[in-house]
Amino acid sequence: EAGVAQSPRYKIIEKRQSVAFWCNPISGHATLYWYQQILGQGPKLLIQFQNNGVVDDSQLPKDRFSAERLKGVDSTLKIQPAKLEDSAVYLCASSSQTLGRNEQFFGPGTRLTVL
Amino acid sequence: AQSVAQPEDQVNVAEGNPLTVKCTYSVSGNPYLFWYVQYPNRGLQFLLKYITGDNLVKGSYGFEAEFNKSQTSFHLKKPSALVSDSALYFCVWEDNNDMRFGAGTRLTVKP
Repeated sequence: EAGVAQSPRYKIIEKRQSVAFWCNPISGHATLYWYQQILGQGPKLLIQFQNNGVVDDSQLPKDRFSAERLKGVDSTLKIQPAKLEDSAVYLCASSSQTLGRNEQFFGPGTRLTVL
Repeated sequence: AQSVAQPEDQVNVAEGNPLTVKCTYSVSGNPYLFWYVQYPNRGLQFLLKYITGDNLVKGSYGFEAEFNKSQTSFHLKKPSALVSDSALYFCVWEDNNDMRFGAGTRLTVKP
């Protein structure tokens, strides 16, 4: 079975610019997650979707970050405007149940560098 | 605050020796605990999980972990390390559907 796909793999932008990341989860997985992994730290959950609805976005900096999963399949995470501290790897994951107690499958990530 | 802690940033072992990557938790109630591994240039992968039941949990690639309630620990172990086990290991706690990752421990297995 195909894994979680993410694009682009790398992105370099200047501060105050906008950027968008795309994720396509494993087919049939209802739950989709976006994580931010800053160098030297563990991933931090930004937002969790169940189908096309948001389950948890309590750690999403909503003044600059937004995410959508309009048709309950693929998802887009946007940053507008970017700050230097947004430099990180953005990971997308999916799982087959709402509760995260099932295994999450991660994509390769998008490495963002903000100059 | 409730969390998991990985007290070692780095663990070095020789190939063929047993390895232990430590994790302690500070969580009320019955915690749901996981181990994930991040290999170089590859995505995070699930290794094993403890939900309930047997305290010894067996996972992928020969890894196992023991849930110890009295010591509030969930250490990852493998009897004989391989060079290919070199990676970044994360202890993870599920908090009401949110996965809370530890800071990670970098394991290096030398030939």
